[in-house]
Amino acid sequence: DTEVTQTPKHLVMGMTNKKSLKCEQHMGHRAMYWYKQKAKKPPELMFVYSYEKLSINESVPSRFSPECPNSSLLNLHLHALQPEDSALYLCASSQDRGRYGYTFGSGTRLTVV
Amino acid sequence: DQQVKQNSPSLSVQEGRISILNCDYTNSMFDYFLWYKKYPAEGPTFLISISSIKDKNEDGRFTVFLNKSAKHLSLHIVPSQPGDSAVYFCAANGNRYGNKLVFGAGTILRVKS
Repeated sequence: DTEVTQTPKHLVMGMTNKKSLKCEQHMGHRAMYWYKQKAKKPPELMFVYSYEKLSINESVPSRFSPECPNSSLLNLHLHALQPEDSALYLCASSQDRGRYGYTFGSGTRLTVV
Repeated sequence: DQQVKQNSPSLSVQEGRISILNCDYTNSMFDYFLWYKKYPAEGPTFLISISSIKDKNEDGRFTVFLNKSAKHLSLHIVPSQPGDSAVYFCAANGNRYGNKLVFGAGTILRVKS
């Protein structure tokens, strides 16, 4: 299995809703990442988990809450989002420190209304 | 502060010709560089990479050239095919950056048949 699987593929949520994005990989990778990508912009790093511990938080607002239940799963809990949070959310994983690149999932297209 | 820059938002090339995508970086601590390809509604997929100890890396139709003194790299695709039409992201990493890949803004490549 050489894939990173993200669910759901599309999500529309209201500003008062609580939802979660899920990410799964079975490649034995020990680092997992959340990136956010707006249209015509590069992917921007949000969080890094290394060996199931949060190692990087790029000053992301607390309405985004990551969780790594085990080495194969990564969640992103969403609460009280704003319309400007609408974006493609990408999960990725890598061996160790990701020195040689990541494997990305296909993303969740999030729309906040 | 854009540390990785792709100054051409788009490039149009005839099928069979060479496509050259350019990338500049400002941070001399970067020592590993990657190219990712992204189709709409999909996550980026790894294409080719190069370490700073090399000046060229080749994989089939794809060759990456690195000019460290100019802090410049380029991706050559020969011959270009319509299926190569996608967004191409340049990314950089450095030992001090841990897990963090820094992406350029991307270049849209259109290969016309």
